[in-house]
Amino acid sequence: DAMVIQNPRYQVTQFGKPVTLSCSQTLNHNVMYWYQQKSSQAPKLLFHYYDKDFNNEADTPDNFQSRRPNTSFCFLDIRSPGLGDAAMYLCATSSVTGVWETQYFGPGTRLLVL
Amino acid sequence: GDSVTQMEGPVTLSEEAFLTINCTYTATGYPSLFWYVQYPGEGLQLLLKATKADDKGSNKGFEATYRKETTSFHLEKGSVQVSDSAVYFCALLYTGGFKTIFGAGTRLFVKA
Repeated sequence: DAMVIQNPRYQVTQFGKPVTLSCSQTLNHNVMYWYQQKSSQAPKLLFHYYDKDFNNEADTPDNFQSRRPNTSFCFLDIRSPGLGDAAMYLCATSSVTGVWETQYFGPGTRLLVL
Repeated sequence: GDSVTQMEGPVTLSEEAFLTINCTYTATGYPSLFWYVQYPGEGLQLLLKATKADDKGSNKGFEATYRKETTSFHLEKGSVQVSDSAVYFCALLYTGGFKTIFGAGTRLFVKA
């Protein structure tokens, strides 16, 4: 089945130690997103890629970066994780072809910062 | 700015009870409206959607109608099951846009 895959499902890192989360998709969608979801809150969009074009949300901290080496893969890099960055990180994809664009979400990676 | 407001949870129901989760939105234009469901430890799944006023989205016994006059998109199900226990998010997205705006989510517990 076509899907959005996130690895790892759980990631533990130390305060200040860089960490990378990965996302891959078999849907061949041209848009990929990263959301941050803290406990009992709504997902918050960090940035998205439309093909190779990177679009950062205005309130996304500089500590968060992203790479998209090809259509299928997208990475979230947290350069110096703080305790406040502990959250669920959700990857999503969509295809800009229809009247509206449904977003398909992966299972998420839960990040713990020690 | 655009926003989505959902009823606060948790909502606790007995199996086979009727479910309503209220959702209202504020929008400068005419967005598409969505309900997503998040089961424990998982990502979001699209439950249903509506793209214009008076459209009714439906899936797995859930339904919601896009009401422009009341700016609402309430989620309903006639008979809930224990397996429906999850967090439900109402959301809006503009055609051609990329930023989905989510409500805060409503947690539903269904007791056997």
